Amino acid sequence: NAGVTQTPKFQVLKTGQSMTLQCAQDMNHEYMSWYRQDPGMGLRLIHYSVGAGITDQGEVPNGYNVSRSTTEDFPLRLLSAAPSQTSVYFCASSRTTRGLSYGYTFGSGTRLTVV
Amino acid sequence: QQPVQSPQAVILREGEDAVINCSSSKALYSVHWYRQKHGEAPVFLMILLKGGEQKGHEKISASFNEKKQQSSLYLTASQLSYSGTYFCGTGQNFGNEKLTFGTGTRLTIIP
Repeated sequence: NAGVTQTPKFQVLKTGQSMTLQCAQDMNHEYMSWYRQDPGMGLRLIHYSVGAGITDQGEVPNGYNVSRSTTEDFPLRLLSAAPSQTSVYFCASSRTTRGLSYGYTFGSGTRLTVV
Repeated sequence: QQPVQSPQAVILREGEDAVINCSSSKALYSVHWYRQKHGEAPVFLMILLKGGEQKGHEKISASFNEKKQQSSLYLTASQLSYSGTYFCGTGQNFGNEKLTFGTGTRLTIIP
C-alpha cells in the first residue's frame, strides 16, 4: 500500500515550457485534489475531482489543467510555465463514507522551479 | 477566503501547553487539522464536524464552535515531536471534500 505517489520530486523548467506532474493513489479514494504551497500563504487549491471523469476548479486554477480518467490517477498539467508557478505542489486524496470525511492523505510533493 | 490562524508562530519549552486557533468568515461544516514538518507533506491529525463528531488518531484534542465559526487545537504537555507547522482546513458543506486551508501556525518546542 503506497498511499499517494507524486512524481517527479524536483523539476526545473524554463519559462514557456509545459509539463505534467503525476499523482497516483492506491487506496481507491474518490476525492483527489492539487494544492500549491508558497511561503506564508499556506495551501491553495488548484483543481479537484470527486471521481473519475469529474473535475472542478479551485481558487488558483489559471495556467493549470487536470483530467481524471481513472480513480487512481490525477495528473496536473502546466500549459506554459511562468516564474509565478514556482512552488511546492501537493496532491491529496481522501475517502468519504455517507458524506463523512476521513481526512486527506498527501503525497510527498513536487518542488518546481521555473526560470 | 482563507481561514485565519493565530498565533502565526509560537515557541514553547517541552512540557508546556499550546492552543492554536482557526477562524473563518464563512459558515462551516467541518474543520480538519494537519501538521507539517519541514520538507515533508502535511499529516492528518483530526477532523471536527458540525454536530460534534470528532475523528482523529493522535493524543491531541480540539474544539469546534459552529456559531462563531472557530476551532481550536489543544496540545498539552508538548513533546519535541510536536514541532512543525499546523494548518486548519475548513469545509463548508456536508459531503463536500473541498477544503480551504489557513496560512499555518509554526510551533517550535525546545528542550
